[in-house]
Amino acid sequence: DAGVTQSPTHLIKTRGQQVTLRCSPKSGHDTVSWYQQALGQGPQFIFQYYEEEERQRGNFPDRFSGHQFPNYSSELNVNALLLGDSALYLCASSLKDRVDLKNTGELFFGEGSRLTVL
Amino acid sequence: AQKVTQAQTEISVVEKEDVTLDCVYETRDTTYYLFWYKQPPSGELVFLIRRNSFDEQNEISGRYSWNFQKSTSSFNFTITASQVVDSAVYFCALSEAGGGSQGNLIFGKGTKLSVKP
Repeated sequence: DAGVTQSPTHLIKTRGQQVTLRCSPKSGHDTVSWYQQALGQGPQFIFQYYEEEERQRGNFPDRFSGHQFPNYSSELNVNALLLGDSALYLCASSLKDRVDLKNTGELFFGEGSRLTVL
Repeated sequence: AQKVTQAQTEISVVEKEDVTLDCVYETRDTTYYLFWYKQPPSGELVFLIRRNSFDEQNEISGRYSWNFQKSTSSFNFTITASQVVDSAVYFCALSEAGGGSQGNLIFGKGTKLSVKP
């Protein structure tokens, strides 16, 4: 049973560039959330995708955008990169209860994509 | 506003010692969930426990135990007879319930636990 997989694992960009990070959720999961974890900090919620739509968003600028595909996989895009965007980007998957749209349990996290902006 | 505070930035113990990681939370919701995650050097967050706000029973799982006290808004985590493999960063997190909002976890800053042989 494959867990959450993310790619790439590491990447280096320069200021002003754009980056796309990818995530495949755990088998059977339909909801993907993205988190940003700066060095020495806890993860911060960026947004959540369910049924190919952004359902919730944290306090991140519009430079951060995403997408969910019919197979539930997801992408995180960051435009006009800043030095402060350097972080570990974590993807988490979960399963939404069809009745009341609550997640039924814990989030499963991938190992993350470590982005360095120079 | 929701907030999670883990006052201990780093803890160092010797193997077989017991260690408690503190977590204090703030929320105005009456229904919420509390979590603990472990983050080894690989970066992946490993789920340890979820507790809802209506279940104040303490839980024990092997060497791990959790003490949830609503009166003090605390959800502390104890490792008994620590082992070197317990070395990691531990995060406490909070999420509100209802309306599909689970998945938006508010994390503390984490406590780095080092267990020395």
